[in-house]
Amino acid sequence: DAGVIQSPRHEVTEMGQEVTLRCKPISGHDYLFWYRQTMMRGLELLIYFNNNVPIDDSGMPEDRFSAKMPNASFSTLKIQPSEPRDSAVYFCASSLGTGYYEKLFFGSGTQLSVL
Amino acid sequence: AQTVTQSQPEMSVQEAETVTLSCTYDTSESDYYLFWYKQPPSRQMILVIRQEAYKQQNATENRFSVNFQKAAKSFSLKISDSQLGDAAMYFCAYRSAIWETSGSRLTFGEGTQLTVNP
Repeated sequence: DAGVIQSPRHEVTEMGQEVTLRCKPISGHDYLFWYRQTMMRGLELLIYFNNNVPIDDSGMPEDRFSAKMPNASFSTLKIQPSEPRDSAVYFCASSLGTGYYEKLFFGSGTQLSVL
Repeated sequence: AQTVTQSQPEMSVQEAETVTLSCTYDTSESDYYLFWYKQPPSRQMILVIRQEAYKQQNATENRFSVNFQKAAKSFSLKISDSQLGDAAMYFCAYRSAIWETSGSRLTFGEGTQLTVNP
């Protein structure tokens, strides 16, 4: 398996523009997570899905952020409009189940820079 | 809410030597899971080792082992025979075993940057 695939790897955009980050989880995994990593706040969970259904979106910073999972093999995280403080590395991760034996697989992240 | 603290922003070790990374956490729960993740320059987070809170025995994975002190809420990572490829940012993470509390939410520490000197 190719692992969790995220695109793009880098994204540079101007303030006010819409940004869409994409994720393809590992085939067969039923949980998908979006994390954000910044120097100030470290790694924080934004939202996660189980069987394509959003379970906990309490980490989504504000209404400018939205996430969807239209099917088991694809998810998007959208920021509209983007702001400089959204600059961060955004990680997607997937797992099969959530018990102790669950192993969380991370993608390589999208480095977002909002100018 | 649970918190995870890594008090060592940076650590260095000579190749082939042993290094220990510290992690403390705060929780009122009795059952939970603890993890160490490695983030190399490629950015991808990789699970190194994990521990169940109700297991007394410390987890071991080849050169990596933990010292889990539940009463002290301490979870340190020992890397033996350090290799150049071990150089990375290491994150300690906590997850509740109670679904209603946190589902699958991982709480991460701030990270420790490990340098391995040849």
